[in-house]
Amino acid sequence: DVKVTQSSRYLVKRTGEKVFLECVQDMDHENMFWYRQDPGLGLRLIYFSYDVKMKEKGDIPEGYSVSREKKERFSLILESASTNQTSMYLCASINPGGENGYTFGSGTRLTVV
Amino acid sequence: GENVEQHPSTLSVQEGDSAVIKCTYSDSASNYFPWYKQELGKRPQLIIDIRSNVGEKKDQRIAVTLNKTAKHFSLHITETQPEDSAVYFCAARFQGAQKLVFGQGTRLTINP
Repeated sequence: DVKVTQSSRYLVKRTGEKVFLECVQDMDHENMFWYRQDPGLGLRLIYFSYDVKMKEKGDIPEGYSVSREKKERFSLILESASTNQTSMYLCASINPGGENGYTFGSGTRLTVV
Repeated sequence: GENVEQHPSTLSVQEGDSAVIKCTYSDSASNYFPWYKQELGKRPQLIIDIRSNVGEKKDQRIAVTLNKTAKHFSLHITETQPEDSAVYFCAARFQGAQKLVFGQGTRLTINP
């Protein structure tokens, strides 16, 4: 079974802080994704990566950046956290053929105060 | 741009009845349509998916239908049970991409 692990389940950060959300998958997946989940808005794509050191903007990249230095790890960075970034953040990975859909991490609920 | 619309946003049904959730997508070249179930406090889990070369797929009490002409697909749950209560998301993979675009979600409540 593919495992996608997000390092923190709950985080509370202050406005203006730099925040790192970590995601690790153990199945050699090339494709990794960061979504945020908000009630009534579903899951919205922030950034994704098809390979090491490669990144592409999703639908809502403003205020975020990412890092993929190793294939198994995909980090989401909030450069200067703001209260409107309070949300549930979900990491996902998928095998190259995409045959079986995403495997999601358990999520990080971030509160910015 | 790429878009998936999902309806209804909330759905309440009596235990044993059927539930239907509908989604429409914008890109006619989309080729893969998964459905995810997210129970309270848990990660989304894939429950069924369908590819563009198939019109219907069933797995026990759940089924998905796809109408490519109308660009919509639906999730059908029969003989609903309390454990079916969850938020359900549809998604579409657009041509040439690995990323999924998700609908807004449907909160399904099964009343005993």
